[in-house]
Amino acid sequence: GQQVMQIPQYQHVQEGEDFTTYCNSSTTLSNIQWYKQRPGGHPVFLIQLVKSGEVKKQKRLTFQFGEAKKNSSLHITATQTTDVGTYFCAGVLMDTGRRALTFGSGTRLQVQP
Amino acid sequence: EAGVVQSPRYKIIEKKQPVAFWCNPISGHNTLYWYLQNLGQGPELLIRYENEEAVDDSQLPKDRFSAERLKGVDSTLKIQPAELGDSAVYLCASSTGGSGSFTGELFFGEGSRLTVL
Repeated sequence: GQQVMQIPQYQHVQEGEDFTTYCNSSTTLSNIQWYKQRPGGHPVFLIQLVKSGEVKKQKRLTFQFGEAKKNSSLHITATQTTDVGTYFCAGVLMDTGRRALTFGSGTRLQVQP
Repeated sequence: EAGVVQSPRYKIIEKKQPVAFWCNPISGHNTLYWYLQNLGQGPELLIRYENEEAVDDSQLPKDRFSAERLKGVDSTLKIQPAELGDSAVYLCASSTGGSGSFTGELFFGEGSRLTVL
């Protein structure tokens, strides 16, 4: 089963409202990446975080990596209809010895205009 | 520059039939991945190649699934025989491989959607 969990599974917001998705791992992650998948599309890379406590911003998106490197969050300020899609976190689990990303189950965002 | 190319985009077969998916990664990307994505779920790794070597195939159901990456470029994923539960999207991704425990950014193809009847 998946060792990287995301909440919520689904969120419906009005355009202009903020949105946050949370990612939690049962084990320490060497790094965390975030991907966006539009309906009917494929995952597209957004960002990578490597350092404990790291915060990165991309316009209205703010990404955070927890101090213990077991959790992460993505916050979108003032959502737009173009933000619609499913957001996945993905990390390399340090206790597996496998250098491959384990994806979370994703948070599906719907934005009402 | 062309992205990761997969074919076919869609495939409908009856159970117990064989099926094959093809992937052409981005030029110069030595790491290639096959992921399986069920509806409403995140991608799950099936196999990872470094050049032509399968370095992580622990999640590949080897009784019916096989993969190859001849010459370290294109790759083929085969299922024989297919079962109803194999209906899913099969995603191919490539990367430059990263360093240490980091994978680098993954570039995904459009995926091959399999329906087993």
